[in-house]
Amino acid sequence: KNQVEQSPQSLIILEGKNCTLQCNYTVSPFSNLRWYKQDTGRGPVSLTIMTFSENTKSNGRYTATLDADTKQSSLHITASQLSDSASYICVVSANTGGFKTIFGAGTRLFVKA
Amino acid sequence: EAQVTQNPRYLITVTGKKLTVTCSQNMNHEYMSWYRQDPGLGLRQIYYSMNVEVTDKGDVPEGYKVSRKEKRNFPLILESPSPNQTSLYFCASSLSVPTYNEQFFGPGTRLTVL
Repeated sequence: KNQVEQSPQSLIILEGKNCTLQCNYTVSPFSNLRWYKQDTGRGPVSLTIMTFSENTKSNGRYTATLDADTKQSSLHITASQLSDSASYICVVSANTGGFKTIFGAGTRLFVKA
Repeated sequence: EAQVTQNPRYLITVTGKKLTVTCSQNMNHEYMSWYRQDPGLGLRQIYYSMNVEVTDKGDVPEGYKVSRKEKRNFPLILESPSPNQTSLYFCASSLSVPTYNEQFFGPGTRLTVL
């Protein structure tokens, strides 16, 4: 069964600290993996996308990694800011005839001053 | 500004009263989709449309209808809403299938069915 699992469910960190969010998936055949940021009361916005051949992708202070062998991805946030408080959603797409896209439940990040 | 708009943003209704949530995009995208987001669950696809007059069921289509008469609009219709349809709804669009294209999401519609 195609699944995307994220951990932790929620995380509280102090402003300026780094953090890493995890995503494990069982989606097959794998096409690509995206990380989305969802601010409270807003729709998700894409941060990064990685295909099978890419193992790292950066977007400012956000760095995503992908290990296609172990089917794991991580999102690392450097020098966190209050505006990083949001949900981060891992989304995996399958290269099937149905063009399936599976969303993880997200990690809720709280950055405290 | 390129965007996906949804209306209304908030809606409280009663069981059985038909309602429509509108969705419009100004990016000339072919693919549009409706999702619902519930606590502890990932976004689940309700219906999607590959182009005008082409719609198909997603993972949770029961109790919903859609139409795609124009490229820019993709309304979600609840003919007889029930309390289990209380949720946060998102409309999204992409140039083509989201497997290969970034989806752009609307701001969401929070629906409560009493």
